[in-house]
Amino acid sequence: GAGVSQTPSNKVTEKGKYVELRCDPISGHTALYWYRQSLGQGPEFLIYFQGTGAADDSGLPNDRFFAVRPEGSVSTLKIQRTERGDSAVYLCASSPRDYPWTGELFFGEGSRLTVL
Amino acid sequence: DQQVKQNSPSLSVQEGRISILNCDYTNSMFDYFLWYKKYPAEGPTFLISISSIKDKNEDGRFTVFLNKSAKHLSLHIVPSQPGDSAVYFCAAIASGNTPLVFGKGTRLSVIA
Repeated sequence: GAGVSQTPSNKVTEKGKYVELRCDPISGHTALYWYRQSLGQGPEFLIYFQGTGAADDSGLPNDRFFAVRPEGSVSTLKIQRTERGDSAVYLCASSPRDYPWTGELFFGEGSRLTVL
Repeated sequence: DQQVKQNSPSLSVQEGRISILNCDYTNSMFDYFLWYKKYPAEGPTFLISISSIKDKNEDGRFTVFLNKSAKHLSLHIVPSQPGDSAVYFCAAIASGNTPLVFGKGTRLSVIA
């Protein structure tokens, strides 16, 4: 498909475990974003990549969260020592980031993380 | 502190009538405003946007109005259809490399 692909769609893990969530953006999109949506909330920004580098990681809640995009395409969000409060839907989005950028993002279906 | 606020968590409208979804913001640096629509188990999809230099943008049944002095925008859907039932998120961005900021969303139910 031509859209943003996220795997796994659902992940259940135990408190304290390590989790990886993967995002495959739309081909040719240079910008990639991770957002987190908790129950009853809107998407909250986590991190933004332009190419391979993290252009803005100000939304990462603490040092248990880390994301990479080594070849400028697929990205992995990594969560260490998961806590119950990490339970949420993790959304990935991509954008061609043409200038001037007007905010349109293309979202994947999300990865639902449940920490027991 | 929420920069983008959607104070109505839900709205119910009859098919064929107008749906009005409201959004307030606090950051005067925002210069683009967007509406996203989200169905269950899907990611949000872009619906319509407006630049801060305009006060209205129309696309088919969807119109967004912006009142900069009141820091308020609204999305009008006319006529509402059952397929419009979804969660609608208001979002805003300031120029430069700032992230898109979302409100909490309003769940619209269009009743046939």
